[in-house]
Amino acid sequence: QQQVKQSPQSLIVQKGGISIINCAYENTAFDYFPWYQQFPGKGPALLIAIRPDVSEKKEGRFTISFNKSAKQFSLHIMDSQPGDSATYFCAASKGGSTLGRLYFGRGTQLTVWP
Amino acid sequence: DTGVSQDPRHKITKRGQNVTFRCDPISEHNRLYWYRQTLGQGPEFLTYFQNEAQLEKSRLLSDRFSAERPKGSFSTLEIQRTEQGDSAMYLCASSLEAGELFFGEGSRLTVL
Repeated sequence: QQQVKQSPQSLIVQKGGISIINCAYENTAFDYFPWYQQFPGKGPALLIAIRPDVSEKKEGRFTISFNKSAKQFSLHIMDSQPGDSATYFCAASKGGSTLGRLYFGRGTQLTVWP
Repeated sequence: DTGVSQDPRHKITKRGQNVTFRCDPISEHNRLYWYRQTLGQGPEFLTYFQNEAQLEKSRLLSDRFSAERPKGSFSTLEIQRTEQGDSAMYLCASSLEAGELFFGEGSRLTVL
């Protein structure tokens, strides 16, 4: 059973546009929600992460929106650039004060056209 | 380079053979994780260590898989009697306790 469900599977956005990727979870014990970016042939790299005590976190062009009651969170990439073309994974963990295993979504392949 | 290092990067083997992957974590990190990733999927957790202690193992880790971290530094993942379904990217990650996971570039296994 997929603990974290991610959509869409693929996304094509024009340069300068907004990319939005959504994730949903069921386990209310999850308390850490990171997003990872992966380029072909590379391992995933942490992009941005949020804990459920806040509803939004912004770092540069990347924003996580978190809806605890709906058990959903999303990644917004503003002013999308061709260099953002990669696969993005949402994940969740129930580590509490210590980070445990991550449950990953299936990924979204983002293509940004110049 | 002070990142997570994995070796070999690519391994092609015949079904039934044993393979071993090595992971060298970031030096001060006490946690080490193994994940498996197949094409078009997110990484799936296999196991993790805190120092030399193996704290959790996934049901994905069948009895043909064994992982060790003998001195709390590098780790090895061995797959015995490989099957075609074992073909995947094996990712290692390390972290400080309660810290961000840093992934290596992975070891790609192809079982013929």
